[in-house]
Amino acid sequence: RKEVEQDPGPFNVPEGATVAFNCTYSNSASQSFFWYRQDCRKEPKLLMSVYSSGNEDGRFTAQLNRASQYISLLIRDSKLSDSATYLCVVKAGGGADGLTFGKGTHLIIQP
Amino acid sequence: NAGVTQTPKFQVLKTGQSMTLQCAQDMNHEYMSWYRQDPGMGLRLIHYSVGAGITDQGEVPNGYNVSRSTTEDFPLRLLSAAPSQTSVYFCASRIQGAREQYFGPGTRLTVT
Repeated sequence: RKEVEQDPGPFNVPEGATVAFNCTYSNSASQSFFWYRQDCRKEPKLLMSVYSSGNEDGRFTAQLNRASQYISLLIRDSKLSDSATYLCVVKAGGGADGLTFGKGTHLIIQP
Repeated sequence: NAGVTQTPKFQVLKTGQSMTLQCAQDMNHEYMSWYRQDPGMGLRLIHYSVGAGITDQGEVPNGYNVSRSTTEDFPLRLLSAAPSQTSVYFCASRIQGAREQYFGPGTRLTVT
């Protein structure tokens, strides 16, 4: 079983719609969770951390379900500029790195 | 601050050649790491360092060497390039224990 699994997409979504992605992780000892955004041929950049109580940053909402070991990202009122690949990242406790990246979900916002 | 810089941006090597990918950061971050990203794969950790003089292997270290003589620099050496090392290489850094990791712009390497 892959450590961090994501639907690769692509998700084709009209501008202004709401879109949600999920990600599942296999290591129950994982302690930190993140969503990174990667534009085509660019480096990944942190979009937001994911906290147990759920958190929101503008149009973006992240949720964590530890019992089911999944993380979600919701984008409301999607913009053309939201088109990118969204990487789910999980960090296990201990060790110097411990970051495990999902393969990413490709989102295309259509005008 | 320039952040994390990588050189070169693009490189083509022949099988068996060696080269060094350069990475530097000016944020005084203790932690630095190298990843490779292949189509259909997530980023995979090659080597990492928690400070000057300290390095350790990641998930896919074979064929690569690193050193960390200063806080700022973390070069990645390919000893004898193979076509399987064709990939995009990202260097990253962060403050030890911090949540956010900063990535460089990447080096696109092709081995023929």
